[in-house]
Amino acid sequence: DAGVTQSPTHLIKTRGQHVTLRCSPISGHKSVSWYQQVLGQGPQFIFQYYEKEERGRGNFPDRFSARQFPNYSSELNVNALLLGDSALYLCASSSVGSGGIRSTDTQYFGPGTRLTVL
Amino acid sequence: AQSVTQLDSHVSVSEGTPVLLRCNYSSSYSPSLFWYVQHPNKGLQLLLKYTSAATLVKGINGFEAEFKKSETSFHLTKPSAHMSDAAEYFCVVRMDSSYKLIFGSGTRLLVRP
Repeated sequence: DAGVTQSPTHLIKTRGQHVTLRCSPISGHKSVSWYQQVLGQGPQFIFQYYEKEERGRGNFPDRFSARQFPNYSSELNVNALLLGDSALYLCASSSVGSGGIRSTDTQYFGPGTRLTVL
Repeated sequence: AQSVTQLDSHVSVSEGTPVLLRCNYSSSYSPSLFWYVQHPNKGLQLLLKYTSAATLVKGINGFEAEFKKSETSFHLTKPSAHMSDAAEYFCVVRMDSSYKLIFGSGTRLLVRP
């Protein structure tokens, strides 16, 4: 089975532009989360979506938005790019049991999209 | 509030010697704890997770971790390091009341021949 896939792998943008990053979860996984990993730091949570609804949001400005489609794939959008948005953006998917999202759910990460803002 | 502290930013060991990567967590409730590994230019891979079933957790590639509530620690160990273990390791905590994983700052493991 294919793992989590993300596209594109690399992206170069200039300040003020807009970017869209895409993620396809593992087949059967209905939850997708997005993380930002700045060089030299651990990943920081941005969003979690489950059944096409936003279930959690990290401490990121409104320039960051996301959505989940009926096939459970997801897009992360960032508007008005800043130099500080340069990072590796990671997508993770997880299966969810009948009891809903649990802290024990394993999140499987994709390889990431490396965004460089010039 | 939950947080994770990885006590060493870099750890260097010789091939064949034991590995110890230290992690302390702060949490008001019983957390779920994870260790992930990140090889250069690759995504994060789950090594192991603690879910309160057993305090000693065995993971992939010979790694294991012990949950010690009294010390609020979840240190990662391996009896014998291999060159392929060289990577960045992240200790992670998650609460039932939160949807997010909280990552430590990472420990870079170097393995000398």
